[in-house]
Amino acid sequence: AQSVTQPDIHITVSEGASLELRCNYSYGATPYLFWYVQSPGQGLQLLLKYFSGDTLVQGIKGFEAEFKRSQSSFNLRKPSVHWSDAAEYFCAVAGTGGGNKLTFGTGTQLKVEL
Amino acid sequence: DAGVIQSPRHEVTEMGQEVTLRCKPISGHDYLFWYRQTMMRGLELLIYFNNNVPIDDSGMPEDRFSAKMPNASFSTLKIQPSEPRDSAVYFCASSLTGSLFFGSGTQLSVL
Repeated sequence: AQSVTQPDIHITVSEGASLELRCNYSYGATPYLFWYVQSPGQGLQLLLKYFSGDTLVQGIKGFEAEFKRSQSSFNLRKPSVHWSDAAEYFCAVAGTGGGNKLTFGTGTQLKVEL
Repeated sequence: DAGVIQSPRHEVTEMGQEVTLRCKPISGHDYLFWYRQTMMRGLELLIYFNNNVPIDDSGMPEDRFSAKMPNASFSTLKIQPSEPRDSAVYFCASSLTGSLFFGSGTQLSVL
């Protein structure tokens, strides 16, 4: 069965600093990988996704993520964090066998200090 | 497109009452998902549909939960009877190409 681990429950960074959120997945083949962001009281918004091809994917709001098969990782990065990036971030994995069924990690709460 | 629309946004009910949550997916999407989010268990997939047909309901916690999708533009999640432990945020999401698009959720409180 597929699974996702987000080892950091909370992360605090200063505005303008760089950010990296960790995500490790478990799946028997090449998975589909996603990052979502959730602001308080809102649904989840898709930041970016990896299906195949270039292992460095660009998303919205200046985020990017890199798929590393050897490390089973899909870490999310942003070179300079803005106060509005404070939210909860979820990594998710789907099997390529079809069905679009996503399994989510437990999330990382990002706090941005001004 | 207006995105995935869920109603109501908030529902407060008493234990034992029937609760119905509603979802309108994005037009043209052929997958629909119901997720539940709690602090303790995170995001859990309850059930999903493909072309209005239930594909996997293994996440539905008990027989008290049921979901239907009578047509491509409407789905319901029903809890009968409701219990306090059902209190959570329930999300509906739809998909066409593998990326899920979520509604704003229904905050359910069972007293």
